[in-house]
Amino acid sequence: DAKTTQPPSMDCAEGRAANLPCNHSTISGNEYVYWYRQIHSQGPQYIIHGLKNNETNEMASLIITEDRKSSTLILPHATLRDTAVYYCIVRAYNNNDMRFGAGTRLTVKP
Amino acid sequence: KAGVTQTPRYLIKTRGQQVTLSCSPISGHRSVSWYQQTPGQGLQFLFEYFSETQRNKGNFPGRFSGRQFSNSRSEMNVSTLELGDSALYLCASSSQGATYEQYFGPGTRLTVT
Repeated sequence: DAKTTQPPSMDCAEGRAANLPCNHSTISGNEYVYWYRQIHSQGPQYIIHGLKNNETNEMASLIITEDRKSSTLILPHATLRDTAVYYCIVRAYNNNDMRFGAGTRLTVKP
Repeated sequence: KAGVTQTPRYLIKTRGQQVTLSCSPISGHRSVSWYQQTPGQGLQFLFEYFSETQRNKGNFPGRFSGRQFSNSRSEMNVSTLELGDSALYLCASSSQGATYEQYFGPGTRLTVT
């Protein structure tokens, strides 16, 4: 079973920041937060991951609360191509058994 | 660097048959994981192979099996197909590197009639 809770859907205006929340209140000390997205039945695409510090890469930023019980994925300037289902996953660093939840369907609107 | 490739991309089988799907990981990646995606159950982990050994296994019946070859290519087999096995089967590879992120292939769409 997935160890995360995400809103089923969100809308965002093109060019604005998209902030996608994720709750993972039972996360263990050795577990990381990973984010993937899936565009229309393609294979999921890795976005970013983190342990306890905030992380940023060319795609997004990840903000993890100090107690690590929740996080937020930020797409700074959403485009129509960012419309996808976004999955937040908690997993141990070296465990490739990823338990996907239902994810958040993000729709970016013109 | 080439991505993860899966063959075939589409497959139609009838109940009771068996099927073999193939996955070629990114060059240098030694871990291959398999997932099943259906509208009702979402993405579910099947199993993971690393260096020709099954390292993790999800909660699927024994009809679902896999193997990995010395070149890291992997196959999964489903025997005695059921209608409920119709799904998108995804393969993902990862390295033993620092970040352990998985890279997914485009999937094989299996339809059981």
